[in-house]
Amino acid sequence: EAGVAQSPRYKIIEKRQSVAFWCNPISGHATLYWYQQILGQGPKLLIQFQNNGVVDDSQLPKDRFSAERLKGVDSTLKIQPAKLEDSAVYLCASSPVGSVSTQYFGPGTRLTVL
Amino acid sequence: QQQVKQSPQSLIVQKGGISIINCAYENTAFDYFPWYQQFPGKGPALLIAIRPDVSEKKEGRFTISFNKSAKQFSLHIMDSQPGDSATYFCAASTYNNNDMRFGAGTRLTVKP
Repeated sequence: EAGVAQSPRYKIIEKRQSVAFWCNPISGHATLYWYQQILGQGPKLLIQFQNNGVVDDSQLPKDRFSAERLKGVDSTLKIQPAKLEDSAVYLCASSPVGSVSTQYFGPGTRLTVL
Repeated sequence: QQQVKQSPQSLIVQKGGISIINCAYENTAFDYFPWYQQFPGKGPALLIAIRPDVSEKKEGRFTISFNKSAKQFSLHIMDSQPGDSATYFCAASTYNNNDMRFGAGTRLTVKP
């Protein structure tokens, strides 16, 4: 079974630029999560989707971050415009129906904002 | 907004020794407590998890101890091996909501 796929793996941008990350969850997993992991800290949940609907986006900085999961499969997380403090690893995770607490993580995208 | 406190930040153990990592939580609505293992350049991977209806769960060399009244839980790694060297995160969530809150992580180094 293929794992959670993310791209790109690394991205370097200037502050105020825009960036987008892509995630393809494990086939059949209805729930998809985006996390932000700042160096030396644990992952912080940004947004949670159930199929193509948002379950929780209470910690998403909505003035600059947006995410979508249009067909209930893959998802895109966008930052516009980026700030220095957005430098982090962005992790995508998915979980199957009936086992919502078992999350499978992708390798992450390391973002550096200069 | 930290709801799960983890200690120590880093831990060095000799091969064959016992590694112990502790976590404390605040929200009494939490009822699912997983531990994740993360290697450099990889995403976290579920190691072992417990629900509060039991006080201990063991899987191979890994054991979770859970103290509901103290709102604390810990991970014990028996016979620690160099391959266990990684960062370990505790987490907590409500089982249905799945709003997972992670601790800050413990970097474990097992010396040969």
